[in-house]
Amino acid sequence: EAGVVQSPRYKIIEKKQPVAFWCNPISGHNTLYWYLQNLGQGPELLIRYENEEAVDDSQLPKDRFSAERLKGVDSTLKIQPAELGDSAVYLCASSKDRGLTEQYFGPGTRLTVT
Amino acid sequence: AQSVTQLDSHVSVSEGTPVLLRCNYSSSYSPSLFWYVQHPNKGLQLLLKYTSAATLVKGINGFEAEFKKSETSFHLTKPSAHMSDAAEYFCVVSDVVGSSNTGKLIFGQGTTLQVKP
Repeated sequence: EAGVVQSPRYKIIEKKQPVAFWCNPISGHNTLYWYLQNLGQGPELLIRYENEEAVDDSQLPKDRFSAERLKGVDSTLKIQPAELGDSAVYLCASSKDRGLTEQYFGPGTRLTVT
Repeated sequence: AQSVTQLDSHVSVSEGTPVLLRCNYSSSYSPSLFWYVQHPNKGLQLLLKYTSAATLVKGINGFEAEFKKSETSFHLTKPSAHMSDAAEYFCVVSDVVGSSNTGKLIFGQGTTLQVKP
């Protein structure tokens, strides 16, 4: 079974530029999560999807961040414009449902904003 | 609100000696608790989970954790450390609103485990 796939693995951009991250969850997993992990800290949830519906986006900074999950499979997280403080690792995870089933994490995208 | 506190940011042990990573939790309800491990440049991997069944939970790679309600603790242990255990470990609690699990995971700050030869 293929795991959660994320791309790119690394991205370096200048501040004020846009950036996008892509996630392909495990086949059959209805719930998809985007987490932000700052250096030396645990991941924090940005947004959670159940199929194509964003059911929890309370932690997503909506002035510059956006996300979509068209057709309830792949998902894209976008930042526009990026700020220096956005430098972090962006993790995608998926699970069969929103219950206590295991969340499977991708390797993450490490973003550096200069 | 639910939260977890990992009591040590860094733990160093010698190969072959026991491992103890400490975690205290705060929860209004009977919590669901997890330990995840993160190796460099790899995704987070579930080690074990507690969901109100047996209080002693066995996980992968010889790790286990004991849920102690009276102490609000969920410490992770392993009898004998291996070099490959060197990684970042996260104690995690499942978020609950009302009496319903939201599916959101709340992570601790992490503990870096160093294993010396």
